[in-house]
Amino acid sequence: QQQVKQSPQSLIVQKGGISIINCAYENTAFDYFPWYQQFPGKGPALLIAIRPDVSEKKEGRFTISFNKSAKQFSLHIMDSQPGDSATYFCAAKAAGNKLTFGGGTRVLVKP
Amino acid sequence: EAQVTQNPRYLITVTGKKLTVTCSQNMNHEYMSWYRQDPGLGLRQIYYSMNVEVTDKGDVPEGYKVSRKEKRNFPLILESPSPNQTSLYFCASSKGGLASYEQYFGPGTRLTVT
Repeated sequence: QQQVKQSPQSLIVQKGGISIINCAYENTAFDYFPWYQQFPGKGPALLIAIRPDVSEKKEGRFTISFNKSAKQFSLHIMDSQPGDSATYFCAAKAAGNKLTFGGGTRVLVKP
Repeated sequence: EAQVTQNPRYLITVTGKKLTVTCSQNMNHEYMSWYRQDPGLGLRQIYYSMNVEVTDKGDVPEGYKVSRKEKRNFPLILESPSPNQTSLYFCASSKGGLASYEQYFGPGTRLTVT
């Protein structure tokens, strides 16, 4: 039973395009929603995070959109670059520090 | 340099042969956790520790043990590995409280059990 559902599993985007990854959750007790980026052979690293009382957060080319009523949040990568090719994980934090991860999205940016 | 280290990075073993994967962090973090990563399933938590001598089960604890005798170390023990434990394992650490969503991951240990 996956408490955080992520889609798509993979996507291919042209350089300069927009990558969009979606996540949905069920547990309303989650209090933080981070996104992690993982390059091949490396551990995941925090990319950007949002609190549930904020509808949007932007850091450079990366934007999180959060819809509390729909229990959904998404990551937008603007002006996608080949260096953005990686696996992206959404996650949700509950009380007690526990992170629940989505299944991951492999993004390939073609030059 | 702030980091989480894991050893070994790669391990091939046979069914039933006890093994330990070590994890160490140099950031004085209270919280440490072990995850396994499998295709399509994301990262699933195996065990976590809120501090020294405080450990608890995550989502997939069967077949694993942990201990936290020192703040910096959090070894993962497979007492009788089985092929379904073939996976990519990550150790992570974080501060407690509101900052706990930022977890620092080690480089991973790829385990194959034959």
